[in-house]
Amino acid sequence: EPEVTQTPSHQVTQMGQEVILRCVPISNHLYFYWYRQILGQKVEFLVSFYNNEISEKSEIFDDQFSVERPDGSNFTLKIRSTKLEDSAMYFCASSVEADTDTQYFGPGTRLTVL
Amino acid sequence: DAKTTQPPSMDCAEGRAANLPCNHSTISGNEYVYWYRQIHSQGPQYIIHGLKNNETNEMASLIITEDRKSSTLILPHATLRDTAVYYCIAYDIQGGSEKLVFGKGMKLTVNP
Repeated sequence: EPEVTQTPSHQVTQMGQEVILRCVPISNHLYFYWYRQILGQKVEFLVSFYNNEISEKSEIFDDQFSVERPDGSNFTLKIRSTKLEDSAMYFCASSVEADTDTQYFGPGTRLTVL
Repeated sequence: DAKTTQPPSMDCAEGRAANLPCNHSTISGNEYVYWYRQIHSQGPQYIIHGLKNNETNEMASLIITEDRKSSTLILPHATLRDTAVYYCIAYDIQGGSEKLVFGKGMKLTVNP
């Protein structure tokens, strides 16, 4: 069964460093999402992406964050200058379409900022 | 904020049916009821969704009341691996927003 994959499973970085989290969505899906979950808190929406553009973003998704689909299979989340509070699980999701279609999540990347 | 309310936790005996309630009294006609679960800190796993009619798949059944103000997720024969946090989410298919809004969910513990 097709699934969303994410790499790395765990990323440790120093505060102020740039990190790139990678996702491979399900192959025939067209909509891509990033969510995050700070330890012990709710899963929060960050951004949705379609047709090489951001279609929706939350207040969390500020100028330090960016997303990209660099090729036909990968979808990336970049954090330019990490802060301690960026430590969280980051989940990628994808769906065939927006609105009416189910979002399928990857296993997540645990980001630890020291 | 999430438009659904769930009890914070529930226990169930292994092999028995687990009935997970969800209240969504302010749900609109365009909002589907989606259920996901999260095992430990893994990614949310899709379970089932419905609009008006009851739904069943290989994982679970979803019973939605006629007035759509509440629903019940049924795991027919709970196993230890069903221990997880279960999220009931109202998702507006015509609201223009693509985001899923997760609440705190309900922790289901399946006991041997």
